[in-house]
Amino acid sequence: KAGVTQTPRYLIKTRGQQVTLSCSPISGHRSVSWYQQTPGQGLQFLFEYFSETQRNKGNFPGRFSGRQFSNSRSEMNVSTLELGDSALYLCASSFGGGGDEKLFFGSGTQLSVL
Amino acid sequence: EDQVTQSPEALRLQEGESSSLNCSYTVSGLRGLFWYRQDPGKGPEFLFTLYSAGEEKEKERLKATLTKKESFLHITAPKPEDSATYLCAVLHNNNDMRFGAGTRLTVKP
Repeated sequence: KAGVTQTPRYLIKTRGQQVTLSCSPISGHRSVSWYQQTPGQGLQFLFEYFSETQRNKGNFPGRFSGRQFSNSRSEMNVSTLELGDSALYLCASSFGGGGDEKLFFGSGTQLSVL
Repeated sequence: EDQVTQSPEALRLQEGESSSLNCSYTVSGLRGLFWYRQDPGKGPEFLFTLYSAGEEKEKERLKATLTKKESFLHITAPKPEDSATYLCAVLHNNNDMRFGAGTRLTVKP
């Protein structure tokens, strides 16, 4: 059974640009969550999607957005990139997203903003 | 404010030297506490879920315990392959999952 797949693995952008990251969950999983990981702040929750609807959102500015498609694949978009957006962005999936289910993480997309 | 604090920040052990990692939390309405292991360049990998005070779970050399205010991850006779960052996360009643900063464990042969 394939795991959670995130693309691209690495990305270099400049300030002011926008970026789209992609996540394919484990087959049969309907919940996809996104996290930002930095050395200083650790893992911080961005948002969660279930059946194409955003069900939960963390404390990030509106520049961070996401969506989920009917096949449960998800994309995350960051507009007007800032230097502080440099981080590892992790996607995680689970079955029903009931909240008490273990998360399966992808290997992440390492974003560098220059 | 809800907090999840892990200690120590880093831990260096000799192979076979048992120790414990701590995760303390000040969260109202805890639905569950999770332990994950993260290797460099990879996403976190699930280890345990604990739901109520007094609960314990074991897997190989790892044992997780939970009280009303903290959780411990006990590592018995660790091996170099146990070297990783160990993360704990607490799940609120509102489905908000909050992670601690992690403990970076190094086990030397």
